[in-house]
Amino acid sequence: QVQLQESGPGLVKPSQTLSLTCTVSGASISSGLYYWSWIRQPAGKGLEWIGQIYTSGSTNYNPSLKSRVTMSVDTSKNQFSLKLTSVTAADTALYFCARDASAYVRDNSRSTKTYFMDVWGIGSTVTVSS
Amino acid sequence: EIVLTQSPGTLSLSPGERATLSCRASQSVLSSYLAWYQQKPGQAPRLLIYGASNRATGIPDRFSGSGSGTAFTLTISRLEPEDFAFYYCQYYGYSPLWTFGQGTKVEIK
Repeated sequence: QVQLQESGPGLVKPSQTLSLTCTVSGASISSGLYYWSWIRQPAGKGLEWIGQIYTSGSTNYNPSLKSRVTMSVDTSKNQFSLKLTSVTAADTALYFCARDASAYVRDNSRSTKTYFMDVWGIGSTVTVSS
Repeated sequence: EIVLTQSPGTLSLSPGERATLSCRASQSVLSSYLAWYQQKPGQAPRLLIYGASNRATGIPDRFSGSGSGTAFTLTISRLEPEDFAFYYCQYYGYSPLWTFGQGTKVEIK
């Protein structure tokens, strides 16, 4: 079965760069069938989508974080990564990686392609503190 | 930007009762792009419903989704002990590409 595992430093100093990697097992990033996302969740709060990346390296970022986010993919290692620069305490959160999947559903009389996140990693806690 | 507002913030119910969770969009959206997730403390979210009303693989049929336009509902027909958790709605397709509601906590009364 498909599994995702986040890894990276649990503590980052303010103004530095947060770096996380998501390792995919049970599926190949190179298949081109999926996009791959990063999502974060501050303690006791809701979910915030950070961005997504495709096999080709094509990316979509949340406009609220776009100036500080870079995502990359390493198909040889079946991994994708997140870098968030100039971090502050507000970036302290549980960071998840997830697989963006799609399916066709019936919408009235039409068949429509829809999207959802069907596999998630267990999350990696990152604290920003000096 | 689409804003998803979930209500109530907390729903206090007993096992066996029916739970009705609401997700309202700030403007009319395509139901095809609306999903629901369950999250338990210390765990990752789990996909329950996609395309507003389609159950994900392995999800019990006591979970159902409905709605269109700006109003969407997740219904749990009879709460089991393992259903007490947080629930999030999610929309795909605007900027940002993915948007989540703020969540509803279903707690044991």
